[in-house]
Amino acid sequence: GAGVSQTPSNKVTEKGKYVELRCDPISGHTALYWYRQSLGQGPEFLIYFQGTGAADDSGLPNDRFFAVRPEGSVSTLKIQRTERGDSAVYLCASSYQGTSNNEQFFGPGTRLTVL
Amino acid sequence: QQQVKQSPQSLIVQKGGIPIINCAYENTAFDYFPWYQQFPGKGPALLIAIRPDVSEKKEGRFTISFNKSAKQFSLHIMDSQPGDSATYFCAATFNTDKLIFGTGTRLQVFP
Repeated sequence: GAGVSQTPSNKVTEKGKYVELRCDPISGHTALYWYRQSLGQGPEFLIYFQGTGAADDSGLPNDRFFAVRPEGSVSTLKIQRTERGDSAVYLCASSYQGTSNNEQFFGPGTRLTVL
Repeated sequence: QQQVKQSPQSLIVQKGGIPIINCAYENTAFDYFPWYQQFPGKGPALLIAIRPDVSEKKEGRFTISFNKSAKQFSLHIMDSQPGDSATYFCAATFNTDKLIFGTGTRLQVFP
């Protein structure tokens, strides 16, 4: 079966521009997570959706970052007025809530470069 | 209190060796401790996980040792192979919530 997919795989943009990153979770997974991974670091949590609603957005660094999941499946992470410090790999993960181990399955990530 | 500290940062072993990666945590509310393996250009993939009610778990060549009183856990890779060369991350979570990751260990296994 298909895993978590993310598009685009790479995105290069200029400082100040707006970008959207897309995540398609595994079919049937109710929970969806966004993480950000800087070079040489572990993934850092950004936001978590349970269904359509954001259950925890405590990891979003500031109000330039926003994410939606309008139909409880696909999610889009939106970054306004991008800054060079936003350059990182943005990872999406999904899981089926209701299992005891909550294994999170990760996509390959979108590498964002802000020039 | 949310941090997970991981060491070493990098590790080089020969084929057949037993690399050991260590992690420590502060938050006693954590109730699930997974290890993820990540290859370049790929997302992390779950390798093995443990809950704090057991002290050891084995899956194939991978073993987690867990010391609840010391708030430490470690990954051992038996009979390591060149294909095990990757970056390994420990993590912790509670209430099946967001994962808190360590900083990663880059493992290189030479033939």
